[in-house]
Amino acid sequence: GNSVTQMEGPVTLSEEAFLTINCTYTATGYPSLFWYVQYPGEGLQLLLKATKADDKGSNKGFEATYRKETTSFHLEKGSVQVSDSAVYFCALSDHTGGFKTIFGAGTRLFVKA
Amino acid sequence: SAVISQKPSRDICQRGTSLTIQCQVDSQVTMMFWYRQQPGQSLTLIATANQGSEATYESGFVIDKFPISRPNLTFSTLTVSNMSPEDSSIYLCSAGLDGLSTDTQYFGPGTRLTVL
Repeated sequence: GNSVTQMEGPVTLSEEAFLTINCTYTATGYPSLFWYVQYPGEGLQLLLKATKADDKGSNKGFEATYRKETTSFHLEKGSVQVSDSAVYFCALSDHTGGFKTIFGAGTRLFVKA
Repeated sequence: SAVISQKPSRDICQRGTSLTIQCQVDSQVTMMFWYRQQPGQSLTLIATANQGSEATYESGFVIDKFPISRPNLTFSTLTVSNMSPEDSSIYLCSAGLDGLSTDTQYFGPGTRLTVL
């Protein structure tokens, strides 16, 4: 079955540091890949997505590239801010799963001023 | 993107009682989903609710415990029945938009439930 594995947190960085959160997936079909973000006390927000191999999703300075050869979708940001402190979820969805979304465990990010 | 609201935003309930959570979408959508997020955990899909058909439940979730209604294309409810402290979680609804973004889900703000 489909699954998502992402690096465990928490991740603690200083402001303006480089961020990488690793995510790998297992899927029987050709899934779309997502990063969602959950700020404290809030629901999930879509951060970015990619729908096919070599696509790059980007938003708010965050980027992730759909790598089919390594089944990965790592999240990166060149310079984090305190306001980026949140939990980040990698996820996949494909039509063979009835468009159900499978989520990774989540990675909590703390950014210190 | 769709705007999704949930009511209530939070509640504290006594064991043995039931709570119905409402989810409203500002546009018509075919597929709606209900998730549970236990403290510090990821999201677990409870069921898929399509208008005009019975909800489809994931392994470990049953209709008697989590009855779902989907009366129209903009609204759904999830009831948590005969609650116990183990049901304390955040419950989130989401909707997949029709059209190009069918595979992308948009989430409500969640309902934080505490069972005493």
